Amino acid sequence: EIVLTQSPATLSLSPGERATLSCGASQSVSSSYLAWYQQKPGLAPRLLIYDASSRATGIPDRFSGSGSGTDFTLTISRLEPEDFAVYYCQQYGSSSYTFGQGTKLEIK
Amino acid sequence: EVQLVESGGGLVQPGGSLRLSCAASGFTFSSYWMHWVRQAPGKGLVWVSRINSDGSSTSYADSVKGRFTISRDNAKNTLYLQMNSLRAEDTAVYYCAREYTAMATWGQGTLVTVSS
Repeated sequence: EIVLTQSPATLSLSPGERATLSCGASQSVSSSYLAWYQQKPGLAPRLLIYDASSRATGIPDRFSGSGSGTDFTLTISRLEPEDFAVYYCQQYGSSSYTFGQGTKLEIK
Repeated sequence: EVQLVESGGGLVQPGGSLRLSCAASGFTFSSYWMHWVRQAPGKGLVWVSRINSDGSSTSYADSVKGRFTISRDNAKNTLYLQMNSLRAEDTAVYYCAREYTAMATWGQGTLVTVSS
């Protein structure tokens, strides 16, 4: 099973700042099958990025993904108030679709 | 509109059983792989199970293997999760999700509480 480790656990930033979230895999993720999700309290997760760098439908271009192999990054270029939430990475390149433990992005 | 609606959650005693359903609409259900993902209170997302489009192939997380069974009825546009031998640690919100460029569509979730 591929283990995903997200860092940092909590990120405190202000609106307008740039956010960089990391996701490390215990082994190479096949074909960059890595996704990022945003989750707000009481709501289901929302897909932001798939295949490591492709934005899902309707996702603003301030969200971008990069990386390959075992190291992946989600970048939010300029934080909006609605971006403060929990973010999860997920790999879907193996038969076991593991998630990272999440990064909480909070307002500083 | 693409929509997934879960149902069947509730309170069950340890060792008991429960069957969750996920009703799909707004897309050709029989063309997509489907998943169950759970989230314990205050915790992160955990993948539970996956089924391919015609139901011929399934996979499970080790934590539920042998206890949970995923299935689907493409004629009824419905996904199921049969949960047996439930434990306290199975307490969670259970989401169904459609696989299309990763898990692009999620239901609102249904809460399962395992407690005596």
